[in-house]
Amino acid sequence: NAGVMQNPRHLVRRRGQEARLRCSPMKGHSHVYWYRQLPEEGLKFMVYLQKENIIDESGMPKERFSAEFPKEGPSILRIQQVVRGDSAAYFCASSPRGGQGDEQYFGPGTRLTVT
Amino acid sequence: LAKTTQPISMDSYEGQEVNITCSHNNIATNDYITWYQQFPSQGPRFIIQGYKTKVTNEVASLFIPADRKSSTLSLPRVSLSDTAVYYCLVGDANTDKLIFGTGTRLQVFP
Repeated sequence: NAGVMQNPRHLVRRRGQEARLRCSPMKGHSHVYWYRQLPEEGLKFMVYLQKENIIDESGMPKERFSAEFPKEGPSILRIQQVVRGDSAAYFCASSPRGGQGDEQYFGPGTRLTVT
Repeated sequence: LAKTTQPISMDSYEGQEVNITCSHNNIATNDYITWYQQFPSQGPRFIIQGYKTKVTNEVASLFIPADRKSSTLSLPRVSLSDTAVYYCLVGDANTDKLIFGTGTRLQVFP
């Protein structure tokens, strides 16, 4: 059973471009979480999705950021018109059930660098 | 927003027991406490999870007092490969959001 997969592992974008980060959850998992980690800092929750639904997006910046988890295919975190402050590691995690006590399995992360 | 705080760093030697405490004074009533380990350039890896009292698995123990306002991750007989950052994860009672702790950087010396 493959773990959580994220791609690309490294992404370089110029200011103003769009960044698309993909996350394939573990087989059988229908809950996906996205986190952002700035250099030398902890992980900050961004968004929680279930298949075709956004459950909680309270950690997402109000502008330029969006996320989806379609019925088929990976979850996508999209950042439009990237700025240097968006440079960070973006991790996704998946869980089978969601909710209290449900263990989250993390992917290896995508490191976004905005030049 | 209540803080979930941990010591910034800890040093230890191989073979010693290490205890890392997380303070979460506003933990949600029904929420679990989960601890993760993170190596550089990798995603966090699950270590242990508990709700109250004590939980033990093959790699660690987790101690949770009755008021659940803190928890202590105990790593028995650490080795060099345990050098990593350790995070606690809890739900906040006010916001019902999952909050990662500030992280503790453990350095194990030979």
